[in-house]
Amino acid sequence: EVQLLESGGGLVQPGDSLRLSCAASGFSFGSYAMTWVRQAPGKGLEWVSGISGSGATTYYADSVKGRFSISRDNSRNTVYLQINSLRVEDTAVYYCAKADIVLMVFASFDYWGQGALVTVSS
Amino acid sequence: DILMTQTPISLSVTPGQPASISCKSSQSLLHSDGKTYLDWYLQKPGQSPQLLIYEVSNRFSAVPDRFSGSGSGTDFTLKISRVEAEDVGVYYCMQSIQHTFGQGTRLEIK
Repeated sequence: EVQLLESGGGLVQPGDSLRLSCAASGFSFGSYAMTWVRQAPGKGLEWVSGISGSGATTYYADSVKGRFSISRDNSRNTVYLQINSLRVEDTAVYYCAKADIVLMVFASFDYWGQGALVTVSS
Repeated sequence: DILMTQTPISLSVTPGQPASISCKSSQSLLHSDGKTYLDWYLQKPGQSPQLLIYEVSNRFSAVPDRFSGSGSGTDFTLKISRVEAEDVGVYYCMQSIQHTFGQGTRLEIK
């Protein structure tokens, strides 16, 4: 059974940094791209970042480029999202999702975690 | 950037009746490999999103056959042949070339 478990969310202040983690199990982790999708309170889904199965290629939405950094550790079956210079508008539930192929391009997201809430407020 | 537009924003359906959601992309989602990269997701109340349909018309594992997807190029449709109470939630289309979502369509039961 595929399982994705996010952690690292919480209440932070504007300008702070935060690292989200997503621990995966139930599939051959390095054979699939992984992605992060966020959802602001009461809003729709916004794709923010993705990483290929090997970790060699990363992708970012224009809205987060330069502040977000995605990485993965295939020995630990874990993907990370480093968020720097947090803004109030980054407040959202951040979902980790598994892609159905090794690359991000053309990937569908077939399994999702339960999400990690990040609240940015002073 | 490829923009995705869904209609309607919300719909209320009597159980057993059909439902249809439209999704339009600002650019063709047909790739030179012959595939069209359009997915549908459902987010049930209080839950994470789940994949329903990939590449326009392929149902994901365990998705009931009352869900069907169709379309080509820039115009796509998700149809539910007979709505059930468990189908309540917000439906999103997503183009899987650049991974942008539509704004969502909320389905409720009458």
